[in-house]
Formats: sequence, structure tokens, C-alpha cells
Amino acid sequence: QKEVEQDPGPLSVPEGAIVSLNCTYSNSAFQYFMWYRQYSRKGPELLMYTYSSGNKEDGRFTAQVDKSSKYISLFIRDSQPSDSATYLCAMANSGGSNYKLTFGKGTLLTVNP
Amino acid sequence: GAVVSQHPSRVICKSGTSVKIECRSLDFQATTMFWYRQFPKQSLMLMATSNEGSKATYEQGVEKDKFLINHASLTLSTLTVTSAHPEDSSFYICSARVGTGGSAAFFGQGTRLTVV
Repeated sequence: QKEVEQDPGPLSVPEGAIVSLNCTYSNSAFQYFMWYRQYSRKGPELLMYTYSSGNKEDGRFTAQVDKSSKYISLFIRDSQPSDSATYLCAMANSGGSNYKLTFGKGTLLTVNP
Repeated sequence: GAVVSQHPSRVICKSGTSVKIECRSLDFQATTMFWYRQFPKQSLMLMATSNEGSKATYEQGVEKDKFLINHASLTLSTLTVTSAHPEDSSFYICSARVGTGGSAAFFGQGTRLTVV
């Protein structure tokens, strides 16, 4: 079983839809959770960062973490064509010298105008 | 968010030559930088972790003599691909971690290397 599982999609939605992206993980030591957006041929851009269970909202984006279920989600409201990209979840188990990100495979999202 | 600048964004080199890629944290000091390789339609593969002033830690299967990493200061890390071959052609991305706590990592724009 991979440490982080993420459905690669592709996911195609109409403009204005609510998008739900998810990752599950098996390593209980993960404490820090991130969502990155990556456009084609560009480096990943940090969207959301959280370290506790619950919801965190930033504009149209909401990150949700459920540590008891080992499940994280990213919701995008009022999706726009400019949201079309690959979304990567990432997790880290330590804030110390052993800090290392473990990524999901990424979900390719297309928002159709 | 913190800004990480990676240069060059694209490079073409001849087989057998070496290529250096720079990664700079512009508005923060990065105690740790990471180098990744990404193949088309795949996720990021960690190559090595570098801490300022010390030797890089390479992931299993990554040739340290081929991929030389130097983290000479808190704002600069370099990756040198030595004696490049066509199979080294890939997208290389650096990232830098803010602080030493459980913070997020910020990524550079990536470098597309083509070896001909």
C-alpha cells in the first residue's frame, strides 16, 4: 500500500462547479498537510497548508483534514477555467531534520467554460 | 507566500557536458532545500535533501557523483548534472523549506533539461 493515495483523474467539470479532491494516507506520523497546484511545465504552487484536523478556508479553497480517518480533501468553489491544473496533495511527518514531503500522484483537473 | 527562484527555466546541452541549475530563496532563509525530478504526467520524485553547510542526503538510486548538490548559503543551492546523457533529460524542480519547524515547502519554477 502506498503511503499516499490520490485518484489521478482526469476530472472534468463545468465552470462554476464545486470540485472535491481527496487523498488518503496510511502513515499515522504525518502531521503536516499541503495542497499544491501545478500548471503544465511549471513548479508546484502552494495553495493550502494545515497541521490539524478540521477545515481551513482561503477564498474559494477549503482544505479539510480528518486525521482519525487519514483523509484529506480540497474543495474548490465556483471553479474557473484558470483552475485547470494538476493538484497534488503532500504530507510531512516531522518538523525536524527528517522533514520530507510525501506526494500523492496528482489529480488532473479541467474546468470547462 | 515565500518566493523561490530557479534558473534557468530551460536548457539544452550536448551529451557529455555538465549543466548547473540554481535555486534561490528570495525573501527568506532556507535551512533545507530539496531537489526533485519529474517525468511527464508523473508526480515529483525526491532526488536529494540539502542543508546549508553540509553534504546533501541522496535518495536511494540517485547517483551522487552524477547529480552534484551544493548548498553554500542559506539562500542558494545548486544542482549540477555532470556528463549529461539523453536519459537525464527531465524536469528538475527545487524547493525550499521555511524555518525549521513543521512548515510548508515552496517550489521554484522548474528547469526543463534536454540533452541532445
